[in-house]
Amino acid sequence: DQQVKQNSPSLSVQEGRISILNCDYTNSMFDYFLWYKKYPAEGPTFLISISSIKDKNEDGRFTVFLNKSAKHLSLHIVPSQPGDSAVYFCAASLVVGADGLTFGKGTHLIIQP
Amino acid sequence: KAGVTQTPRYLIKTRGQQVTLSCSPISGHRSVSWYQQTPGQGLQFLFEYFSETQRNKGNFPGRFSGRQFSNSRSEMNVSTLELGDSALYLCASSLARTTEQYFGPGTRLTVT
Repeated sequence: DQQVKQNSPSLSVQEGRISILNCDYTNSMFDYFLWYKKYPAEGPTFLISISSIKDKNEDGRFTVFLNKSAKHLSLHIVPSQPGDSAVYFCAASLVVGADGLTFGKGTHLIIQP
Repeated sequence: KAGVTQTPRYLIKTRGQQVTLSCSPISGHRSVSWYQQTPGQGLQFLFEYFSETQRNKGNFPGRFSGRQFSNSRSEMNVSTLELGDSALYLCASSLARTTEQYFGPGTRLTVT
């Protein structure tokens, strides 16, 4: 069963607007969440993370929101830029670093000029 | 600081053969994890090594194995290759077991 789900395989956003990528999880024991960005033929690049004791973490244009009661997290990118076009993966961990990351299937973000 | 490096980048093998992939972590990183990426299953955790010991293993058959050396470099081995083993194999390193993982470019393995 898929413990981390990204239900939108793709998302198209106009340059300058906000991109919102969503992720749902089923395992309530997950306590650390990460977002990665991946370009073709490259490994995933770490973007931002959040611990389950927080509900928001911000880093420049990237903000991650965590709603534990809904088992939902989202990544906001503001403003969206052409270089943001990539596949974004949501990942979760049972205990920080002490277990392998469980990844969603990814969302392909396309930024349109 | 140099990133995670993986060799080789591309590999073609025949069913039944075995293969060894190599990963050099970021300098100072002691934890190395391996993942398999396929179109159908996405990114799946294989195993994690820390201080030359396997700390965690994902749900993969025993044909998949690995090791870590004293300089934190790691290798993974797949024996008796099957067509379904064709995938992108990614290595990730982290400073400790409690920090974010940084990925290498991967090794693209094709089994024919």
